[in-house]
Amino acid sequence: AQTVTQSQPEMSVQEAETVTLSCTYDTSESDYYLFWYKQPPSRQMILVIRQEAYKQQNATENRFSVNFQKAAKSFSLKISDSQLGDAAMYFCAYRSQYSGAGSYQLTFGKGTKLSVIP
Amino acid sequence: EAGVVQSPRYKIIEKKQPVAFWCNPISGHNTLYWYLQNLGQGPELLIRYENEEAVDDSQLPKDRFSAERLKGVDSTLKIQPAELGDSAVYLCASSPGQGPYNEQFFGPGTRLTVL
Repeated sequence: AQTVTQSQPEMSVQEAETVTLSCTYDTSESDYYLFWYKQPPSRQMILVIRQEAYKQQNATENRFSVNFQKAAKSFSLKISDSQLGDAAMYFCAYRSQYSGAGSYQLTFGKGTKLSVIP
Repeated sequence: EAGVVQSPRYKIIEKKQPVAFWCNPISGHNTLYWYLQNLGQGPELLIRYENEEAVDDSQLPKDRFSAERLKGVDSTLKIQPAELGDSAVYLCASSPGQGPYNEQFFGPGTRLTVL
């Protein structure tokens, strides 16, 4: 079974600064998807960014980018020019590319609570 | 386009009482998921539907939990009887299909408190 580990329960960043959230995962599969989700106090999970494991190029979405290190099984999220609205819980998630019972589910880490200081 | 709708947003019940949660997915989304999110944890899958068929319910505690998606659209998750340990947020998500490349869209969840 796959596991996802987020070792930083809480992080804080000054507004307009850059912060990096860490995530490691364990899998024996070669093809899979990795995600970062944002969960604000409203509880609605929002997809921030997605990375396909077969792609060497790191994904980027506006101020959000990832550092995907497949060999190290590491998938960190960098938030540039942090804004007050970025304050939320951030979850790293893994999803298998293979079919079969349980394989399409998202396996989440425990999350990192990000605070943005004005 | 309306998002995933869940109701109620909050529910407080006494232990041993039954409770039900309702989810209406995004129109046209064939795949529906129910997740359980305990405090301080990431969501964990309870059950996945493809249209009206439950294709993965391996993590659903079937002694007290049940779910249905009769017409392949909206879904209900039920707990009977509820226990103190069931206090959590219950999230519903939907996607256009079951493939791993399909984005899952989440609802706001139902926060259950069992007293």
